[in-house]
Amino acid sequence: EAQVTQNPRYLITVTGKKLTVTCSQNMNHEYMSWYRQDPGLGLRQIYYSMNVEVTDKGDVPEGYKVSRKEKRNFPLILESPSPNQTSLYFCASRNDRVTEAFFGQGTRLTVV
Amino acid sequence: ELKVEQNPLFLSMQEGKNYTIYCNYSTTSDRLYWYRQDPGKSLESLFVLLSNGAVKQEGRLMASLDTKARLSTLHITAAVHDLSATYFCAVDTDKLIFGTGTRLQVFP
Repeated sequence: EAQVTQNPRYLITVTGKKLTVTCSQNMNHEYMSWYRQDPGLGLRQIYYSMNVEVTDKGDVPEGYKVSRKEKRNFPLILESPSPNQTSLYFCASRNDRVTEAFFGQGTRLTVV
Repeated sequence: ELKVEQNPLFLSMQEGKNYTIYCNYSTTSDRLYWYRQDPGKSLESLFVLLSNGAVKQEGRLMASLDTKARLSTLHITAAVHDLSATYFCAVDTDKLIFGTGTRLQVFP
């Protein structure tokens, strides 16, 4: 089954404790992205990747890092999480720039 | 900076009624997507609109794209409770930019 898998689904952590949210897709898609969703703000792009070893900042990249060492994986790293990074995070992948994006199930992160 | 505006933000409508959700955007693009999100769930692709004048229909939902007006509409015909969800449009330039969403509630 074609899917985008995120882990964990839920995470509560403390300020400053490094964490990684994993994202994996099995569709051989070139493009992968991370979004955060906050009430009243829709989805905002954090980082995106057009291929292996190619990443770029989205609209809200501060406080986040990503890597794309393999085509299927695109982890999101929070080196020193802060409470304003409490949000619902989605990973998405798409085959190219003219096709729809497929979304993971989301990761609800709470930073206390 | 590309802006994508949806309206209304909230829509409460009675079953059987018709309504339209609007998606306006501020830059040139001929690719627009509509997604549905149920509470606590991920986003599900509804429509892919890839050219001016594109119209797609699925059940009680119909989406259209006017690239000259920079406007897409999502029309709901004879609403039913199962359509209650949040609907997002997303404009494609070199990345997807999402609108803020329209939360639809359909009541008996």
